Amino acid sequence: AQTIHQWPVAEIKAVGSPLSLGCTIKGKSSPNLYWYWQATGGTLQQLFYSITVGQVESVVQLNLSASRPKDDQFILSTEKLLLSHSGFYLCAWSLPGSSYEQYFGPGTRLTVL
Amino acid sequence: QQKVQQSPESLIVPEGAMTSLNCTFSDSASQYFAWYRQHSGKAPKALMSIFSNGEKEEGRFTIHLNKASLHFSLHIRDSQPSDSALYLCAVSIRGSALGRLHFGAGTQLIVIP
Repeated sequence: AQTIHQWPVAEIKAVGSPLSLGCTIKGKSSPNLYWYWQATGGTLQQLFYSITVGQVESVVQLNLSASRPKDDQFILSTEKLLLSHSGFYLCAWSLPGSSYEQYFGPGTRLTVL
Repeated sequence: QQKVQQSPESLIVPEGAMTSLNCTFSDSASQYFAWYRQHSGKAPKALMSIFSNGEKEEGRFTIHLNKASLHFSLHIRDSQPSDSALYLCAVSIRGSALGRLHFGAGTQLIVIP
């Protein structure tokens, strides 16, 4: 069975500090991977997607970047956090070649102070 | 740009009632229509999806799609307190960026015992 793990579970960071969030998927080969962001009380927005190692496409510009260093790993990062980066970050996957149904990880709650 | 809107924003129903949630979308090229359920502080989880006009029933849940009206809905029969959650509708457009799901802002459902 496939499992999706995100780390850390929660993070409190200062404005201007760097950030790195991670996601790993086990039990599925070559999944499509996605990063989403949900501001408190806000709409779920897709940030990035990746269909293969080393290839990441940006969907929404939020001064964030993403990388896929391994088939089962997706990283979201920034060098300088903004207050507006606070929210719930979710990693998701879908079957290769099928992008419709997406399965979400447990998420990381980020608070920027 | 696809616009996805949900109504109502929130809903309180007694246990055992029929609940109806609505979603409208703006792009007639939309191809995939889904409902996700998100309990507080948790990740969204796919409930049901549909591709063609008509209805699809799974247990107490029914999804109804009318592409001509740019509208789809979720009906919950015999609503239970455990159904209390944020319900998100999602739409994907044919030919869009792989896996680009557009989410609505959600309907907060509370089922009172």
